[in-house]
Amino acid sequence: GAVVSQHPSWVICKSGTSVKIECRSLDFQATTMFWYRQFPKQSLMLMATSNEGSKATYEQGVEKDKFLINHASLTLSTLTVTSAHPEDSSFYICSARGGTTQYFGPGTRLTVL
Amino acid sequence: SQQGEEDPQALSIQEGENATMNCSYKTSINNLQWYRQNSGRGLVHLILIRSNEREKHSGRLRVTLDTSKKSSSLLITASRAADTASYFCATDTGRRALTFGSGTRLQVQP
Repeated sequence: GAVVSQHPSWVICKSGTSVKIECRSLDFQATTMFWYRQFPKQSLMLMATSNEGSKATYEQGVEKDKFLINHASLTLSTLTVTSAHPEDSSFYICSARGGTTQYFGPGTRLTVL
Repeated sequence: SQQGEEDPQALSIQEGENATMNCSYKTSINNLQWYRQNSGRGLVHLILIRSNEREKHSGRLRVTLDTSKKSSSLLITASRAADTASYFCATDTGRRALTFGSGTRLQVQP
């Protein structure tokens, strides 16, 4: 079946630094990818929709200048958390739609000290 | 935003018992999916039920869908300790991302 990978699987950084998370569709092309955030013991909340070749669409309450999304190719979307703060510590999960099915990456655990 | 709620929020049962989780949603859907998530891990897709289906089985899993009530249930029969996880329903309207319910944390005591 289709596979979506994320890198890194976990990252620890200092407050104020920027962190980039990659999401790749390994065996299919995805014009649309999605980024979710999950805080401990909570559900997945959609942050933004990443569109290849155009600007991302952000959900209400998500700062687009803080969470930069780039969908440079049909197999790669990146999420950059800029000037990260401890409250940005979370589990970030991407997904890619292949046809009518959505495939999820394994997630990236971000810890900001 | 979340599509809906799941109940119970937490469920603790003994091995061998059945576990039932319920999901309610708000808008019309193409399909509804159930996922499992072990603590700190990614999502595992369990089962998909289309809007024109009322019941679906997969191994020890049984899913029902009532579109008139905008609700679904997931039944895990003869539960095992390895079933301990969080379970989420997710709705697909066909237009965009899946929308997840609030989740049920299942604890199966050996």
